[in-house]
Amino acid sequence: EDQVTQSPEALRLQEGESSSLNCSYTVSGLRGLFWYRQDPGKGPEFLFTLYSAGEEKEKERLKATLTKKESFLHITAPKPEDSATYLCAVHSNFGNEKLTFGTGTRLTIIP
Amino acid sequence: GAGVSQSPSNKVTEKGKDVELRCDPISGHTALYWYRQRLGQGLEFLIYFQGNSAPDKSGLPSDRFSAERTGESVSTLTIQRTQQEDSAVYLCASSLIGENNQPQHFGDGTRLSIL
Repeated sequence: EDQVTQSPEALRLQEGESSSLNCSYTVSGLRGLFWYRQDPGKGPEFLFTLYSAGEEKEKERLKATLTKKESFLHITAPKPEDSATYLCAVHSNFGNEKLTFGTGTRLTIIP
Repeated sequence: GAGVSQSPSNKVTEKGKDVELRCDPISGHTALYWYRQRLGQGLEFLIYFQGNSAPDKSGLPSDRFSAERTGESVSTLTIQRTQQEDSAVYLCASSLIGENNQPQHFGDGTRLSIL
């Protein structure tokens, strides 16, 4: 069974203080790993797809990286508007088209 | 263009009543998914539709849950004889299929509260 574990559950940073969020996964053949951002009362918003170990993707202050066992979402010099819950999900090569999600990291950036 | 649209945004109902939730996917997206998000838990897959193929119902938690989709457009998720444990946010997503693992795009969900 595919599993996704995210850590930490919650993270408070000062504005400008860089850090990383972790997503550890177990999957029977990785087809893709996805990062989403979710604001309170909203649906998840797509950020990145990573396909293979060693791949990196960047968007503004965010950079996602992937190894064979985990993915990191690095946030550089965050701003208060980066506060949100960040979700990681995996898509397996076997079985159906569903995504298996972690429980997320709730990120708070303090001005 | 417009994103995934879900209605109602909030629904409060009494235990034992039936509820129907609606999802309008992004135009041109052939795949449609329903997920459930309980407080403090990850999104839980419920059902998947792709074109005219038989839906994948493997995530439906009980026979009180059912869903339909008309062609490649609107989908409805129906919960019969609601229970308190059905309280959650129900999220719909749509995507293209067959083009390099296209991401699923989500609506803002229906927040369902069972009294």
